[in-house]
Amino acid sequence: SQTIHQWPATLVQPVGSPLSLECTVEGTSNPNLYWYRQAAGRGLQLLFYSVGIGQISSEVPQNLSASRPQDRQFILSSKKLLLSDSGFYLCALEGEGANVLTFGAGSRLTVL
Amino acid sequence: AQSVSQHNHHVILSEAASLELGCNYSYGGTVNLFWYVQYPGQHLQLLLKYFSGDPLVKGIKGFEAEFIKSKFSFNLRKPSVQWSDTAEYFCAVLSGGSYIPTFGRGTSLIVHP
Repeated sequence: SQTIHQWPATLVQPVGSPLSLECTVEGTSNPNLYWYRQAAGRGLQLLFYSVGIGQISSEVPQNLSASRPQDRQFILSSKKLLLSDSGFYLCALEGEGANVLTFGAGSRLTVL
Repeated sequence: AQSVSQHNHHVILSEAASLELGCNYSYGGTVNLFWYVQYPGQHLQLLLKYFSGDPLVKGIKGFEAEFIKSKFSFNLRKPSVQWSDTAEYFCAVLSGGSYIPTFGRGTSLIVHP
């Protein structure tokens, strides 16, 4: 079955520091992959999606970036974090049933 | 662009009460509809989905949802909630030809034993 691994699970970083959140998937090939940010009362905000290696589409302009160096790896990065980057970041893949998303456990980022 | 509205942001119920969470979307064409649930400390997971056919769909744990095309709605229901239904519920819509679902803001449900 398809699984998603996200790490780190929690992260506390100072403002201005870099960020790298990693997502790897198993049990599937050439999946569509997504990065969402979940904020309390604001639902799920799509940040990036990828339909293949090296193919990244950004939904929201910001100081975050994403990369897909391998078919099953999706990385969320920042060169300099802002306070507003704090949140819960979810990686997802388009899953076992077409159009159904499978989500990872998430990475909670706190920027101080 | 598609938008999804969940009218109830916070719902508090006692066990055995009936539940209905509203979900409305804006796009009028072909849609796939979903409810996802996030139990405390767990992954966000699919509760039920509608692609076509019978507009009344049944999901896990006794949940059901009804697609009413004329109302652009996909409300989630459960006749008798349990304490274990405490969770956050998200409605999502996938417009025809897209592979990017749009999510609502979510509804936090608390069920008191």
